[in-house]
Amino acid sequence: DSGVTQTPKHLITATGQRVTLRCSPRSGDLSVYWYQQSLDQGLQFLIQYYNGEERAKGNILERFSAQQFPDLHSELNLSSLELGDSALYFCASSVSSGTDTQYFGPGTRLTVL
Amino acid sequence: GENVEQHPSTLSVQEGDSAVIKCTYSDSASNYFPWYKQELGKGPQLIIDIRSNVGEKKDQRIAVTLNKTAKHFSLHITETQPEDSAVYFCAASRAGNAGNMLTFGGGTRLMVKP
Repeated sequence: DSGVTQTPKHLITATGQRVTLRCSPRSGDLSVYWYQQSLDQGLQFLIQYYNGEERAKGNILERFSAQQFPDLHSELNLSSLELGDSALYFCASSVSSGTDTQYFGPGTRLTVL
Repeated sequence: GENVEQHPSTLSVQEGDSAVIKCTYSDSASNYFPWYKQELGKGPQLIIDIRSNVGEKKDQRIAVTLNKTAKHFSLHITETQPEDSAVYFCAASRAGNAGNMLTFGGGTRLMVKP
């Protein structure tokens, strides 16, 4: 158990819908990262927040957005869902923003029908 | 941007043998190289990492080597056990104040036969 929690574990929805994935970092960690894992794209970095502010951005689609709240939990919002958005979404956290170890949560499996 | 290639994609070894997984990266400014193990239905778990100021690091049966000149790094697992069976990912990043965006390799499925 990494100490990172993600809810829900599974999410099934339809094309065009909007969903919110939630992540609680390990106690004391200030950075939260979001990654997408799919069969064709592998593990891809989406976005990083550090102490409430966006710190780094990857190939995150405009339909996707994230935020980190004052209590340091984070949410990833996915809208206008397409079949290709079906994937595992992982949250990771680390103490700060540099080369600290990133601890991954158990993931949320999103299925878009 | 950074590009990480990982080989082989699958690796089958006999219990007790050694396993070696190799990765190459493209960004010479990358300075952080972690290795993760992912078991079925779980999130990636860090097993070892190395920073660019170090050439080799060892932790019990696991070792990682880094060749900055050639831009490649390798994971070595000795005395493999069935519980080592999993998918292993290498990653690279140019970590610093601007963040720590990990770029992952494609993964290696390691199977250890008892």
